[in-house]
Amino acid sequence: GQQLNQSPQSMFIQEGEDVSMNCTSSSIFNTWLWYKQDPGEGPVLLIALYKAGELTSNGRLTAQFGITRKDSFLNISASIPSDVGIYFCAGLPSGNTPLVFGKGTRLSVIA
Amino acid sequence: DAGVIQSPRHEVTEMGQEVTLRCKPISGHNSLFWYRQTMMRGLELLIYFNNNVPIDDSGMPEDRFSAKMPNASFSTLKIQPSEPRDSAVYFCASSWTSGSEQYFGPGTRLTVT
Repeated sequence: GQQLNQSPQSMFIQEGEDVSMNCTSSSIFNTWLWYKQDPGEGPVLLIALYKAGELTSNGRLTAQFGITRKDSFLNISASIPSDVGIYFCAGLPSGNTPLVFGKGTRLSVIA
Repeated sequence: DAGVIQSPRHEVTEMGQEVTLRCKPISGHNSLFWYRQTMMRGLELLIYFNNNVPIDDSGMPEDRFSAKMPNASFSTLKIQPSEPRDSAVYFCASSWTSGSEQYFGPGTRLTVT
């Protein structure tokens, strides 16, 4: 089946630093999504990308849909302690098939 | 607006007991998904429904697991009998169609002793 390779697996950063994570695949996706999971909660949708090349921001978050439709990245600027959590990328293949999820990037922010 | 509702939030049970997890999807959503999350295996899709009909249950680990969706506003995931290796967080998610963004519930943390 289709797989997403998400990296890095985990990150430890200082408060105030910028963060970058990405997802790649050998398959094409029509939509890319980024979710965040806080400890003890379910994943929450952060950003949705619908067109190849699209760059979208949501506050300190910026995400891009790769031009080849096989990759996406998420940047977080000026990290703060509440950014701690697991970030998942997810891709929607063609047709009416469900999301494919990456394995997540666990972010820790050191104050 | 109410999001996806799951109950219970926490369940502790003994090996061999039956466990039933419940989910109420977002009103108007036509697709419902059950996931299991563990440290070792990450987020795994167990089964999903379109318009209350099970479409793909290939992720259900064993015959001990079963899921139903008797109507558009309710679904259950049942484990009978439960085993310690079933300990995990179980999430329900819903979406407009199976090929659109999913919205997750808060999860049920299951511990089987």
